[in-house]
Amino acid sequence: EAQVTQNPRYLITVTGKKLTVTCSQNMNHEYMSWYRQDPGLGLRQIYYSMNVEVTDKGDVPEGYKVSRKEKRNFPLILESPSPNQTSLYFCASKVTGQSDYGYTFGSGTRLTVV
Amino acid sequence: GENVEQHPSTLSVQEGDSAVIKCTYSDSASNYFPWYKQELGKGPQLIIDIRSNVGEKKDQRIAVTLNKTAKHFSLHITETQPEDSAVYFCAASSPRDFNKFYFGSGTKLNVKP
Repeated sequence: EAQVTQNPRYLITVTGKKLTVTCSQNMNHEYMSWYRQDPGLGLRQIYYSMNVEVTDKGDVPEGYKVSRKEKRNFPLILESPSPNQTSLYFCASKVTGQSDYGYTFGSGTRLTVV
Repeated sequence: GENVEQHPSTLSVQEGDSAVIKCTYSDSASNYFPWYKQELGKGPQLIIDIRSNVGEKKDQRIAVTLNKTAKHFSLHITETQPEDSAVYFCAASSPRDFNKFYFGSGTKLNVKP
């Protein structure tokens, strides 16, 4: 089954404790992206990657890091989480180079930073 | 960048009635407009999309219309069913990067049996 898999689904952590949210896709998509979803704000892009070793900032990148060492994986790293990063996070992938092709989203990771 | 506004934020309808969700966008160069449905505890799922060279697209009970001049597009759901209850997001492609999308703030649709 074609899918984007995120782990963990739920995570509660303390301020300043580094964490990683993993994302993996099995569709051989070049483009991957991370979004956060907050009430009333919709989905906002954090970082994206056009292909292996190619990453760039989205609209809200502060406090986050990413890496793309393999085509299928795109982990999101919070080096020093803060309470304002409490949110619902989605990883997404799509085929690059096609303007009329939407995302496939993962099931989400609900992060709480206390 | 592109700004997408979505209304209403919540919508409650009786089963069998129609539901309409509206979105406006700011950049006339946007050319692709997908709609996503997010069920509780799941990620958004693409349900229908429309390109800028098409005015209307239909898929069974759902349809999307696009008015390029007015820069707005709408999702229409007819004969609503309880399983249509979800949060719906509209999106517009970035004119400068068609891999990127700007999302509306979402509409929570509740279909009452």
